[in-house]
Amino acid sequence: EVQLEESGGTLVQPGRSLRLSCTASGFTFGDYAMSWVRQAPGKGLEWVGFIRSQRFGGTPEYAASVKDRFTISRDDSKNIAYLQMNSLKSEDTAVYYCCRDTSGPGDRDVDWYFDLWGRGTLVTVSS
Amino acid sequence: EVVLTQSPATLSLSPGETATLSCRASQSVSTHLAWYQQKPGQAPRFLIYDASNRATGIPARFSGSGSRTDFTLTISSLEPEDFAVYYCQQRSDWPPTFGGGTKVEIK
Repeated sequence: EVQLEESGGTLVQPGRSLRLSCTASGFTFGDYAMSWVRQAPGKGLEWVGFIRSQRFGGTPEYAASVKDRFTISRDDSKNIAYLQMNSLKSEDTAVYYCCRDTSGPGDRDVDWYFDLWGRGTLVTVSS
Repeated sequence: EVVLTQSPATLSLSPGETATLSCRASQSVSTHLAWYQQKPGQAPRFLIYDASNRATGIPARFSGSGSRTDFTLTISSLEPEDFAVYYCQQRSDWPPTFGGGTKVEIK
């Protein structure tokens, strides 16, 4: 079955760090750019960042709201994408989703459409 | 960044009726717009891309239209499983942004 599963969400104090994982199955993970999108309680969706496939250098890009605090990486041998979150703030409280980009094994590094999502993992930043 | 404004915030309809959802962009996004469906506690589902193309496996009752700044998602003959929140998303300008959502609820 083609799916994504996030893990690692928990309650964490402001200023601390947390790493989320996104485990993929049922498709060739290494062919795809992967994004993280978050949803604060009762709010809409916010794109957080993405990482290119290794074919395009495996480099990440970030939203301004998390740049310099969050780091996205990937381990294609394990079919996992990671979101390392440092210096967490209360406004980072959200369900975090990982998403597959529609670019796939094509000739574009990213399409910016998301055709597969995980169920999400909740991160609560509070003292 | 491009701001997407969805209206109405809530749409109250009965099964069998047609839902018409609007998404307006703060600047032209050409046809680089997608729609997603989200049910409570579930991941968003990819419905429409490039304004009018249905994603794989999406029923024909879902259709999208529009270009530049004004877009519409139409759900013909609502099924019980269609009651959900719908989001639009643009990819024309970085960063990709989402609208605030329209909730389609049972009247």
